[in-house]
Amino acid sequence: EVQLLESGGGLVQPGGSLRLSCAASGFTFSNYAMSWVRQAPGKGLEWVSGLSGSGVLTYYADSVKGRFSISRDNSKNMLYLQMNSLRTDDTAVYYCAKDRQFDDWGQGTLVIVSS
Amino acid sequence: QPVLTQSSSASASLGSSVKLTCTLSRGHSSYMIAWHQQQPGKAPRYLMKLEGSGSYNKGSGVPDRFSGSSSGADRYLTISNLQSEDEADYYCETWDNNSWVFGGGTKLTVL
Repeated sequence: EVQLLESGGGLVQPGGSLRLSCAASGFTFSNYAMSWVRQAPGKGLEWVSGLSGSGVLTYYADSVKGRFSISRDNSKNMLYLQMNSLRTDDTAVYYCAKDRQFDDWGQGTLVIVSS
Repeated sequence: QPVLTQSSSASASLGSSVKLTCTLSRGHSSYMIAWHQQQPGKAPRYLMKLEGSGSYNKGSGVPDRFSGSSSGADRYLTISNLQSEDEADYYCETWDNNSWVFGGGTKLTVL
């Protein structure tokens, strides 16, 4: 059974940093592209960032380009999202999702950016 | 970059059927999409991948009541024999040039 478990969310001040993690199990992690998707309170889903199975190729939404960095450690089956220069509009639940069509989702971790 | 358009809301009676629509923008009518369900307070759940031909591939454990179809730029999700647990937000999603996009979502109310 595929399991994706996010962690690392919390309250941070504007301009601050946070690192999210996603622990994956139940599949051959290195074979699959992974993504981060977020959902602001009461809003729809927004793709944030993705990377290839090897981790060599990375992709970002314009809204986070230059501020967020996605990475993975295939030896530990872990996906990461380093978030810098956080803004209030980054407040959201952040989900990790598997493969190009997001065929498995984690339960999400809440990030609140507020002073 | 494709744009996906969904109606904001839909409603149907318990035990009936409903067909939700996701429309691809001009120039992207052949694109494959995926449908996701988000029940209140829960994480999204993958339902299916749907091709422009109408062929679809459902996720593990998705009931037979859920099916997909296509016509031109429109991608459909049909839910038969509606159950109370089908009350949820439904999102379509696609990808192009290593960028992904979601539709705005349809809130389905089961009467």
